[in-house]
Amino acid sequence: GAVVSQHPSWVICKSGTSVKIECRSLDFQATTMFWYRQFPKQSLMLMATSNEGSKATYEQGVEKDKFLINHASLTLSTLTVTSAHPEDSSFYICSASWHSGSSYNEQFFGPGTRLTVL
Amino acid sequence: DAKTTQPPSMDCAEGRAANLPCNHSTISGNEYVYWYRQIHSQGPQYIIHGLKNNETNEMASLIITEDRKSSTLILPHATLRDTAVYYCIVRVVNYGGSQGNLIFGKGTKLSVKP
Repeated sequence: GAVVSQHPSWVICKSGTSVKIECRSLDFQATTMFWYRQFPKQSLMLMATSNEGSKATYEQGVEKDKFLINHASLTLSTLTVTSAHPEDSSFYICSASWHSGSSYNEQFFGPGTRLTVL
Repeated sequence: DAKTTQPPSMDCAEGRAANLPCNHSTISGNEYVYWYRQIHSQGPQYIIHGLKNNETNEMASLIITEDRKSSTLILPHATLRDTAVYYCIVRVVNYGGSQGNLIFGKGTKLSVKP
């Protein structure tokens, strides 16, 4: 399957600071990227969907001004957690897929980024 | 909400087949059955998907009942590395259009034991 990377794999920050997480598709061009959040012992929750060159579509209850998503190229999407607080501590996972005409591929997931806010 | 029901946990002996059931009684005609798994502290991994025919790949087999209301994922020879949470997801697939989102439920925690 296709490879999706995330950086950093883990980050610890102080409350009130902003943190940027990168998601890259390494061997394909991702027309769509997705951001998920997973709290301990819970399942993945979709936060937002972004198409290259377009504004992200956020799921209900996700603050778009707090979780800034940029999908400026076909291989890179970034999630910035602004003014992070301890309740934002979570496992953030991205996924990527492409579609063209009647063809598309599956969502391939990155390894995740563990964010801890002190 | 997830449209699937899975047992919360299962055990399997190493080397034996692991059969993971999933109920999706409200599945609609254009929804596919997808399986992903998540090993602890990693991102989910795609396993297999199907519409109504049985499917097989190098990782697993997917058996879908004729009425499509349930399915079974089969790992033919489970290894310790197959210990993970397995998610069964139904998803709309529109060829030439947008795809439905992946809605993850609680999944089945499969423990493969030596």
